[in-house]
Amino acid sequence: DVKVTQSSRYLVKRTGEKVFLECVQDMDHENMFWYRQDPGLGLRLIYFSYDVKMKEKGDIPEGYSVSREKKERFSLILESASTNQTSMYLCASRSSGSAGELFFGEGSRLTVL
Amino acid sequence: GIQVEQSPPDLILQEGANSTLRCNFSDSVNNLQWFHQNPWGQLINLFYIPSGTKQNGRLSATTVATERYSLLYISSSQTTDSGVYFCAVVGKGARGSTLGRLYFGRGTQLTVWP
Repeated sequence: DVKVTQSSRYLVKRTGEKVFLECVQDMDHENMFWYRQDPGLGLRLIYFSYDVKMKEKGDIPEGYSVSREKKERFSLILESASTNQTSMYLCASRSSGSAGELFFGEGSRLTVL
Repeated sequence: GIQVEQSPPDLILQEGANSTLRCNFSDSVNNLQWFHQNPWGQLINLFYIPSGTKQNGRLSATTVATERYSLLYISSSQTTDSGVYFCAVVGKGARGSTLGRLYFGRGTQLTVWP
């Protein structure tokens, strides 16, 4: 089975802190994604990566950056966390091209105080 | 990007009832998936179904790609079926589809009462 693992299920951080959310997949997938999910707003794409060191902005990249130094790992970085970044963050991966199934991690629920 | 609309937005059922969830999309697609989000927030893959019909136990799905819709059927619903059901697609031809981006609908919130 495909496994997408997110480093933390629950995090509590303070405003202004730097936050790292880590995601690792074990299926040699080229594409990896970070979404955030908020009540009433559905899933919104923050960033995605289609290869090592390659990244593309999604719909809401402001306030976030990403890193993909190795194929299996995709990190989401909040340089200076703010309260409006309190959310559920979901990582996903899939193989390249337009076919192929998307698989999600368990999610990381971040609270910024 | 592709527009994905799901209906109904909310559905309340008694245990044992059947239901149909619908997903309409605005353009041709290479990929369509159905997910179930459980109460803990995890998205579980139900079907990968860009076209045709598939069945898995009490759940089945049909995608009519030429008419740009997909249906998810839940028979003999159980309380454990509660949660949000999402449809997601990858469009043909757009750069986003080459890179593998999926577009999500807003979901159908299903509540099954005992």
